[in-house]
Amino acid sequence: GQQVMQIPQYQHVQEGEDFTTYCNSSTTLSNIQWYKQRPGGHPVFLIQLVKSGEVKKQKRLTFQFGEAKKNSSLHITATQTTDVGTYFCAGLLTNSNSGYALNFGKGTSLLVTP
Amino acid sequence: DGGITQSPKYLFRKEGQNVTLSCEQNLNHDAMYWYRQDPGQGLRLIYYSQIVNDFQKGDIAEGYSVSREKKESFPLTVTSAQKNPTAFYLCASSPGQHYGYTFGSGTRLTVV
Repeated sequence: GQQVMQIPQYQHVQEGEDFTTYCNSSTTLSNIQWYKQRPGGHPVFLIQLVKSGEVKKQKRLTFQFGEAKKNSSLHITATQTTDVGTYFCAGLLTNSNSGYALNFGKGTSLLVTP
Repeated sequence: DGGITQSPKYLFRKEGQNVTLSCEQNLNHDAMYWYRQDPGQGLRLIYYSQIVNDFQKGDIAEGYSVSREKKESFPLTVTSAQKNPTAFYLCASSPGQHYGYTFGSGTRLTVV
């Protein structure tokens, strides 16, 4: 079953507010990746984190990988309507039936109201 | 332009029929993957292949079959044994396990 958990499932914010989605795994992750899927579209790769405690930024997006490599977060500062979509985390589990394929969380759907 | 192509975009089939979904990539990627997406369920792994002529089952392989005869192609067959085949199917490729995936635009299969 799914071993990468993601919360919240949905988030509705006013434009300009911040947004955070959290990802947790019961087992250590080799890496964590984040994807964005626009409504009606397909997932698009955003970033990969590999090192314990790693923090990366892409404009208004900040990605963190936990010290124990079991959790991660994506934070968006001052959301815009273009941020609407579903954000997925995906991890490469060190022990998994999935072997060398990513295990995806269920995603957080973000709705931004102007 | 390099990319990954899934066809068709929409597919309708009668219950009990097998159906094959196409996935082709010209990115020269070694690894290819099939995921199924249902509302509120995220992406669940069906099959993946790290190299030509080799593939492994994912978490929900029952009722599905694949082949990897060419590096560029990784077709998925949804058999009549799949109990609930109606879903959005996504194919992806990557250079290897430590790289981001490139996804196709998906095939929405409806079985009636």
